[in-house]
Amino acid sequence: GGIITQTPKFLIGQEGQKLTLKCQQNFNHDTMYWYRQDSGKGLRLIYYSITENDLQKGDLSEGYDASREKKSSFSLTVTSAQKNEMAVFLCASRGDRDTEVFFGKGTRLTVV
Amino acid sequence: GDSVTQTEGQVTVSESKSLIINCTYSATSIGYPNLFWYVRYPGEGLQLLLKVITAGQKGSSRGFEATYNKEATSFHLQKASVQESDSAVYYCALDGSWQLIFGSGTQLTVMP
Repeated sequence: GGIITQTPKFLIGQEGQKLTLKCQQNFNHDTMYWYRQDSGKGLRLIYYSITENDLQKGDLSEGYDASREKKSSFSLTVTSAQKNEMAVFLCASRGDRDTEVFFGKGTRLTVV
Repeated sequence: GDSVTQTEGQVTVSESKSLIINCTYSATSIGYPNLFWYVRYPGEGLQLLLKVITAGQKGSSRGFEATYNKEATSFHLQKASVQESDSAVYYCALDGSWQLIFGSGTQLTVMP
């Protein structure tokens, strides 16, 4: 089996700061995702990538950038952290389109 | 667009009692989407509980069942007799165009 590793597990930043979250997968999956999870809400898609160097915006992409320089890694940058975006960020990956999506354990972002 | 609705944010059930968690969906971009239940146990990452890809079929796992009802556009999760270890957050999801679309989640607490 494989694993998705997200770093860091906890991230504390100041308002207005640029912050980067990292994700690595060893499934050799083509597609990777970044979701944001707010308390009491579902997971909302920020960005996804169907192959190396591909980037597709989700519904929540404003205020974020993403990078997929290698097949195994997908990073997310919060361009200017705001207090109202404190949430858990989940990275995920899948192989073929109809297969299971696997998730990392998340990065919890706190903005002070 | 596509959407998933879970009406109960929190459910509390006594051990050995039956459970139903409601899920309805709207799929405009894809006629018959694959449907999923994901679960997050305390301290763990989000993981697949069960999936059904054919309308009218039932999926099952760990004593949980869900039937894909395309007429009612529903995919309710049921269990005949819950255990304390079932306490977790449950998410209904559909496979849209390249992404999973999630409901807001239901926190299940099983009382001893």
